[in-house]
Amino acid sequence: GAVVSQHPSWVICKSGTSVKIECRSLDFQATTMFWYRQFPKQSLMLMATSNEGSKATYEQGVEKDKFLINHASLTLSTLTVTSAHPEDSSFYICSARPGLAGGEQYFGPGTRLTVT
Amino acid sequence: RKEVEQDPGPFNVPEGATVAFNCTYSNSASQSFFWYRQDCRKEPKLLMSVYSSGNEDGRFTAQLNRASQYISLLIRDSKLSDSATYLCVVNPNTGNQFYFGTGTSLTVIP
Repeated sequence: GAVVSQHPSWVICKSGTSVKIECRSLDFQATTMFWYRQFPKQSLMLMATSNEGSKATYEQGVEKDKFLINHASLTLSTLTVTSAHPEDSSFYICSARPGLAGGEQYFGPGTRLTVT
Repeated sequence: RKEVEQDPGPFNVPEGATVAFNCTYSNSASQSFFWYRQDCRKEPKLLMSVYSSGNEDGRFTAQLNRASQYISLLIRDSKLSDSATYLCVVNPNTGNQFYFGTGTSLTVIP
């Protein structure tokens, strides 16, 4: 159990275009999902917390107008990178928590974004 | 001071060796602790939660020292397949925020 999927797993796009990444909890409902970004040889950095039915909570320094998050259902959250630039190239990972606050998170397989 | 700190390593150990990692956290009120494993270019996978009384899962033992504010992970009889980056994760309260260490790189050598 506790499977999280992400789509796409790999995407290359041109500078200035937008990319949407989907995160799904396959066998549980997730009121809260998390979006992380990881640059090579660095730790995961939390970008935002996605709450079903309400606005996402963004971490300091993360532009909410650039990284649009929608959590329309208890099993789906989407992250849209708008007007992508090469510096947005990174590994984007979502996670979801099946249980109570403070419990373990399960991660999606990640999406590798390359902006040319 | 960072919320969670780990020695990045790398740790290079021979097969069969015992290796231990420590991770310190800054918030004494932290409630939940986890060890995750991350392989190169993959997502982190939960290895084990860390309980106050310590817990063991096969060759892996996790311990919590609240007085000194650190958690540890002990791997016995290391296998080649244990080569990965081990992430320490701390939830400082019962809310949503999790803090990740930078990870400790382990390579098990034949």
